[in-house]
Amino acid sequence: DAGVTQSPTHLIKTRGQQVTLRCSPKSGHDTVSWYQQALGQGPQFIFQYYEEEERQRGNFPDRFSGHQFPNYSSELNVNALLLGDSALYLCASSRTSFGYRETQYFGPGTRLLVL
Amino acid sequence: EDKVVQSPLSLVVHEGDTVTLNCSYEVTNFRSLLWYKQEKKAPTFLFMLTSSGIEKKSGRLSSILDKKELFSILNITATQTGDSAVYLCAVERLPNSGYALNFGKGTSLLVTP
Repeated sequence: DAGVTQSPTHLIKTRGQQVTLRCSPKSGHDTVSWYQQALGQGPQFIFQYYEEEERQRGNFPDRFSGHQFPNYSSELNVNALLLGDSALYLCASSRTSFGYRETQYFGPGTRLLVL
Repeated sequence: EDKVVQSPLSLVVHEGDTVTLNCSYEVTNFRSLLWYKQEKKAPTFLFMLTSSGIEKKSGRLSSILDKKELFSILNITATQTGDSAVYLCAVERLPNSGYALNFGKGTSLLVTP
């Protein structure tokens, strides 16, 4: 049973560029959340997708956008990259049943470095 | 604004020692508190606590929640070098208040041989 997978594992970009990160949820999961983890900090919630819609959003600018596909996989897009966007980007998947969201399981993350 | 505070931020112990990690929180519409272990990248799920006073155990790890005093502890007995990791505490709100996990900064544990 494959767990949560993310691609790419590492990425180097320059300021002003755009980046797309990808996530495939664990089998049987339909909800995907994205988190940003800066060095030495805990993960910070970016947004969550369920039924192909953004259901909740954290305190991140509009430069951060996302998408969920019919197969439940998800993308995180970041435009106009800043140095401060350098971080580990974590995807977490869970199953939502009868409005109840079960435990979130994390993928290995994508390490983004912005130069 | 919700707060999750973990202490200590870092800890160095010898193999065989027992450690206690702390997590205090302030959150509206509390639903659950979760502990994760993060070694290289992916945080791995340890425990979910929803009720006060009920200890959850998994091998040498155990955790308990106090909803009156708004804190949780994670105990690790007979520590091993493989326990070296960052331990993250997160709180979750009730469904109608949103599903995001609110994490603390983590406790970095180093177990030396």
